[in-house]
Amino acid sequence: AQSVTQLDSHVSVSEGTPVLLRCNYSSSYSPSLFWYVQHPNKGLQLLLKYTSAATLVKGINGFEAEFKKSETSFHLTKPSAHMSDAAEYFCVVSMDSNYQLIWGAGTKLIIKP
Amino acid sequence: DTGVSQDPRHKITKRGQNVTFRCDPISEHNRLYWYRQTLGQGPEFLTYFQNEAQLEKSRLLSNRFSAERPKGSFSTLEIQRTEQGDSAMYLCASSLARGIAYNSPLHFGNGTRLTVT
Repeated sequence: AQSVTQLDSHVSVSEGTPVLLRCNYSSSYSPSLFWYVQHPNKGLQLLLKYTSAATLVKGINGFEAEFKKSETSFHLTKPSAHMSDAAEYFCVVSMDSNYQLIWGAGTKLIIKP
Repeated sequence: DTGVSQDPRHKITKRGQNVTFRCDPISEHNRLYWYRQTLGQGPEFLTYFQNEAQLEKSRLLSNRFSAERPKGSFSTLEIQRTEQGDSAMYLCASSLARGIAYNSPLHFGNGTRLTVT
């Protein structure tokens, strides 16, 4: 069965410091993996996606994620946090059909000034 | 940029009333999805359409919920006899799927926040 685990419900970093949001998945297929961001009272926006091409994926707003099959991980990183990055981040794995998206519980990113 | 739009943004209703939400997807997208999201949780899949055909419904979708996409463009989600447990954010998303296309990303609207009093 497919599943997604976001290891931290909250991550707090200071502005200008690196961000690491952790995601582990289990999948019997070669998965497609996504990170979505949700700002307060807004819809979800795609940050980046992995679809079996390059294992290091670059997304919008300076975020990137690395697919590591051996570790079944797809952690999201950013070298330097900005106040506008404060939001909730969701790791998502796709099964063989598009509607079968398995969502992580989300990680709330808090940026301290 | 005409993204996914949802109307209304907020809806407050009394228990037992019916409500209807509308979603206008990105115009060339053939797939449309409805999700429900409660505070502190990720989105829960409700249903999806390929063009006008409703291809899958979650077991979460009770018989009080109905969704339509009559011409393969906009969609409506109706909740009859609302209950307080229906209070949530209802999200619509669309995607362009070609063939299997299992990796086509979803584009979300800003959601409709329903409060049932």
